[in-house]
Amino acid sequence: DAGVTQSPTHLIKTRGQQVTLRCSPKSGHDTVSWYQQALGQGPQFIFQYYEEEERQRGNFPDRFSGHQFPNYSSELNVNALLLGDSALYLCASSLALGSPFNEQFFGPGTRLTVL
Amino acid sequence: AQKITQTQPGMFVQEKEAVTLDCTYDTSDQSYGLFWYKQPSSGEMIFLIYQGSYDEQNATEGRYSLNFQKARKSANLVISASQLGDSAMYFCAMREVPYGNNRLAFGKGNQVVVIP
Repeated sequence: DAGVTQSPTHLIKTRGQQVTLRCSPKSGHDTVSWYQQALGQGPQFIFQYYEEEERQRGNFPDRFSGHQFPNYSSELNVNALLLGDSALYLCASSLALGSPFNEQFFGPGTRLTVL
Repeated sequence: AQKITQTQPGMFVQEKEAVTLDCTYDTSDQSYGLFWYKQPSSGEMIFLIYQGSYDEQNATEGRYSLNFQKARKSANLVISASQLGDSAMYFCAMREVPYGNNRLAFGKGNQVVVIP
């Protein structure tokens, strides 16, 4: 049973460029959440997708956008990259209608470096 | 406002010893969940243990136990019999039900290094 997968593993971009990160959820999961983890910090919630719609959003600018596909996989897009966007981007999958516990399974992350 | 506070500096722990990682949280909700995750240098977040706000018993999962003190709003993680593989960052996180059950707020983490 494959867990959450993310691609690419590492990415280097320059300021002003655009980037797309990809995530495939754990088999059977229908909800994908994205988190940004800056160096030395805990992950910060970006947004969550369910049924191909953004359901919740954290305190991130509109430069951050996403998409969910019918197979539940998801993309995170960041436009007009800033140096401060350098971080580990984590994808987590879960069930929308799971148990009260509702564990989120995290992928290995994509490390984005903006030069 | 910071909802999860983890303020301990990096910790060195002797192998086979127990270690306690502190976590305090802030919420006005009655229904919430508390999680601990482990993040090794590879970057992946690994779920360790969960405590629901209405759970009367402290959660335990193998060598991990959670010391839940609701009135003090603390949820400390205890790792017993530390192993070299326990060296990692440890994050406390909270899920507030009104925000949906798929949104976690994380603390800044505790660094643990287990020495032989």
